[in-house]
Amino acid sequence: ETGVTQTPRHLVMGMTNKKSLKCEQHLGHNAMYWYKQSAKKPLELMFVYSLEERVENNSVPSRFSPECPNSSHLFLHLHTLQPEDSALYLCASSRGTSGLSNEQFFGPGTRLTVL
Amino acid sequence: GENVEQHPSTLSVQEGDSAVIKCTYSDSASNYFPWYKQELGKRPQLIIDIRSNVGEKKDQRIAVTLNKTAKHFSLHITETQPEDSAVYFCAAYINNAGNMLTFGGGTRLMVKP
Repeated sequence: ETGVTQTPRHLVMGMTNKKSLKCEQHLGHNAMYWYKQSAKKPLELMFVYSLEERVENNSVPSRFSPECPNSSHLFLHLHTLQPEDSALYLCASSRGTSGLSNEQFFGPGTRLTVL
Repeated sequence: GENVEQHPSTLSVQEGDSAVIKCTYSDSASNYFPWYKQELGKRPQLIIDIRSNVGEKKDQRIAVTLNKTAKHFSLHITETQPEDSAVYFCAAYINNAGNMLTFGGGTRLMVKP
């Protein structure tokens, strides 16, 4: 499937590094999401962007900084992460933000390891 | 906000048996309930959903039931096959609550051949 792509697929970084995760959707959708998937919380919503405006950030630590330059691209900038931030980061998009148009199409994820 | 509880966290069945996964939600305003399947190493994908004006929906071997009064909904898989082995997530959506899905904790289903 190539509707939602994410790069890189795997990332290992030290706690002092700065890195960015990229997500791109080719479905013409208007909303994009970042999720964190770990053993403790299987699907934890981090950020929602609807028509390029952030709707919800769910009290995520400031070491995670999202950016949505247009409706097709979404970034997650990472800075001074902690080992407990190691997880699979999933991007998703949906056609709209109400009712059945909220079906979410997930990307393959970025497996992040923080040393 | 919405809170979704999902049970059981793991479920092991014999091939051909039925599997049932149950979810409860807290906000009576929730009006859309999708189920996602995530196979090992793959992304979650929508398999079935139900709206609050419907009590049951079926698609081949899978069905979902909704009890709005009790605020719970269930996924039923009949004649399970090894390829049904995956993690299943339920979710609830409120049309007026920031346009978010709230996911349950997931159920790891293992179908033994």
